[in-house]
Amino acid sequence: DAGVIQSPRHEVTEMGQEVTLRCKPISGHNSLFWYRQTMMRGLELLIYFNNNVPIDDSGMPEDRFSAKMPNASFSTLKIQPSEPRDSAVYFCASSFTAGGSKDTQYFGPGTRLTVL
Amino acid sequence: GESVGLHLPTLSVQEGDNSIINCAYSNSASDYFIWYKQESGKGPQFIIDIRSNMDKRQGQRVTVLLNKTVKHLSLQIAATQPGDSAVYFCAENFSGGYNKLIFGAGTRLAVHP
Repeated sequence: DAGVIQSPRHEVTEMGQEVTLRCKPISGHNSLFWYRQTMMRGLELLIYFNNNVPIDDSGMPEDRFSAKMPNASFSTLKIQPSEPRDSAVYFCASSFTAGGSKDTQYFGPGTRLTVL
Repeated sequence: GESVGLHLPTLSVQEGDNSIINCAYSNSASDYFIWYKQESGKGPQFIIDIRSNMDKRQGQRVTVLLNKTVKHLSLQIAATQPGDSAVYFCAENFSGGYNKLIFGAGTRLAVHP
């Protein structure tokens, strides 16, 4: 398996622009997570999907952030409009969860976002 | 590819020595714990996990110890190699919740030849 795939790997944009980050989870996994990592705040969970349905979006910073999972093999995280404080590394992770079991999350390589 | 806090604790060891990385977790109701390794410019990589019904689990060159009494987790790496240099995170999962992980701040391991 190729693991979790994220694109782009690097994104540089100007304040006010829309940014879309993409994720392809590991085939067969039914849970998908978006995280943000910064020097000041470490790794923070933004949103969690299970079976393509958003279950917990309490970590989404504000209305400028939105995430979708139209099918089991694709998810997007969109920031509109972007701000310099959104600069961070964004990770997608996936796992297989069944019957309330706790299973390992596997992370993608991340997207490094720089908002100028 | 730096992705860690400004004031991460750092553990410096000589190549070949054993390393012990410690973690204090926050919730006594947590029942699942994972150690991740993050190299510069990469995503966190699973190393080993342990459930709360165990106090020790061994992998290849790694051992995780869990002390629920004091809410403490440790990762032992035997015969540390230069390739082990990275930031190590512990993560906990609350009992009864979904698979939501709460990550610690991380510890940087520096292996010197």
